[in-house]
Order: sequence, then C-alpha cells, then structure tokens
Amino acid sequence: AQTIHQWPVAEIKAVGSPLSLGCTIKGKSSPNLYWYWQATGGTLQQLFYSITVGQVESVVQLNLSASRPKDDQFILSTEKLLLSHSGFYLCAWSLGTVPERLFFGHGTKLSVL
Amino acid sequence: GNSVTQMQGQVTLSEEEFLFINCTYSTTGYPTLFWYVQYPGEGPQLLLKVTTANNKGSSRGFEATYDKGTTSFHLQKASVQESDSAVYYCVLGETNTGKLTFGDGTVLTVKP
Repeated sequence: AQTIHQWPVAEIKAVGSPLSLGCTIKGKSSPNLYWYWQATGGTLQQLFYSITVGQVESVVQLNLSASRPKDDQFILSTEKLLLSHSGFYLCAWSLGTVPERLFFGHGTKLSVL
Repeated sequence: GNSVTQMQGQVTLSEEEFLFINCTYSTTGYPTLFWYVQYPGEGPQLLLKVTTANNKGSSRGFEATYDKGTTSFHLQKASVQESDSAVYYCVLGETNTGKLTFGDGTVLTVKP
C-alpha cells in the first residue's frame, strides 16, 4: 500500500528564518508530486509540481522553492520566511498528468511569528 | 482561466437533515469534476469524481451530478450525520494539463 509522510507535523518559526518541509511517498514508483498551500480559512493553492526527479515546475510565486532530490522525496524550502507564509502545507501525489485522484498527506502547520 | 465558485462558506444542519452544497464552474471543454472532503487536521481526500457531462457520481451517501448545461456540480446527501462535519471542496480538473482548481470550500457543521 502507498503511504505519504510529511514532516514536521507543525513548525513555529521566526520571520526571516529558513524553512525546510519534507514529504516522502512509499509504495509507488515515479509518482507525480505536488505542494499545496492553504491559508487559515482559505482554499488550497497549488505551489509546485514535479513529474520526475530533478524537475520541478512552479505554479505560484510565494518566495518559496521546491526540489525533488529522489523519486520518492519532495522538499519545500525558503531561506527567509515571511509572515504571509503561515498556513497549512500539503504534499500530494498522483499517478498521471490528466485529472487524476490526488492523495494528500496530513500536512504541516506553519506559524510564522 | 478556470474557476470554481462555492457560494456557501458555512452550512449548519442537524442530524438527518438534507444537505445541498452549491458549486458552479467556468471552463472550456469537458473537465473532470471532483468533490474532496477535509476533516480537521488532515489533508483532503477524494469523495467522488465524475468525468462525463450529465453523469452522476456517488459515494458514502453523497451524490453529485455534472450538468454541462448549467455548469453546475452540486453536492447532495439525503440525511447527514455528525461525522459528516468537515470542509467540502468542489474541484475542477483540466483535461490537458491535469491542473486542479479548488473552490473556496464549504464548512459543514452537523449538530447532534
């Protein structure tokens, strides 16, 4: 069975500090990977997607970057956090690029103070 | 571009009442339409999916009909339970790119 694991579960960070969030998918080879962001009380906004190792496409510019160092790993990071980065970050995977079912992780709650 | 509109930000019902969540969309062609549900502290999960216009999807007592004429994909359930309390998202999937556009979500609270 496929599993998706996000870490950490929650983070409290200071403005201007760096951030690294991780996501690992087990049990599925070469999945499409996605990062979504959800502001408190807001809808989900796709940030990045990756079809293969080393390739990441940006959908929305939020002063964040993403990388896919391994087939089963997706990393979201920034060198300097802003207050506006607070929210809920969700990693997801799917099997294909046509509209497919997305499988989401449990998310990381980020509070920037 | 594509857009999804959920006018109801919050819906409060008592158990066994009828649920109706309005969703309309704007796009070209024949998109795939989804309803996702998000329980507190979790990521969204697929509730139902419909790929053909005028088709109906159903799952766990929920139903939605894809109506290309009215560009609507409303969600219904005949009798809600307290465990149905969650956020419901109407989602449009682009056929060519696979990009998903989420609506703003509707918070459903079901009182015992």
